[in-house]
Amino acid sequence: DAGVIQSPRHEVTEMGQEVTLRCKPISGHDYLFWYRQTMMRGLELLIYFNNNVPIDDSGMPEDRFSAKMPNASFSTLKIQPSEPRDSAVYFCASSLSVTGELFFGEGSRLTVL
Amino acid sequence: QKEVEQDPGPLSVPEGAIVSLNCTYSNSAFQYFMWYRQYSRKGPELLMYTYSSGNKEDGRFTAQVDKSSKYISLFIRDSQPSDSATYLCAISGAGNNRKLIWGLGTSLAVNP
Repeated sequence: DAGVIQSPRHEVTEMGQEVTLRCKPISGHDYLFWYRQTMMRGLELLIYFNNNVPIDDSGMPEDRFSAKMPNASFSTLKIQPSEPRDSAVYFCASSLSVTGELFFGEGSRLTVL
Repeated sequence: QKEVEQDPGPLSVPEGAIVSLNCTYSNSAFQYFMWYRQYSRKGPELLMYTYSSGNKEDGRFTAQVDKSSKYISLFIRDSQPSDSATYLCAISGAGNNRKLIWGLGTSLAVNP
């Protein structure tokens, strides 16, 4: 298996623009997680899905953030409109269980100018 | 007080040294304890997974959990330059409280 695949790897955009991050989880994993990582706050769980259904989105910072999982092999995290404080590395991870081993993608590094 | 505290370092040691990395936590209900390693510009990867108290050894790595002190440790013996990375602890409870809580990570540099 190729592992968790994220795109784009790098995104530079201007404040106010829409950003869409994409994730393909490992086949057969029922759980998908979106994390944000910054130096100051570390890894923060934004939302996670079980069998394509959002289970806990309490970490989504505000309404500008939304996530979808239309099928078992694809998820998106959208930020609209983006702000400079959204600059971070966004990770997608998948797992066989909620406390099992998380398999992370290589991350999408977002810079909002 | 944060639920999980981890000294961010950085920690710099010579090759061959024994490294000790630590986290403290506040919730006595936590039962699952993990250490992830993250290389620069990569995603974290699971290194060690421990349930409840005790020690677990895997090669040069030993994970230790002391639930009475709410303290977990990761020891690296005979450290190598390839061990240079950030080490993150991750902890969760059981039942309905199984969401992982992460430490900030400790940056380790092993110098040849």
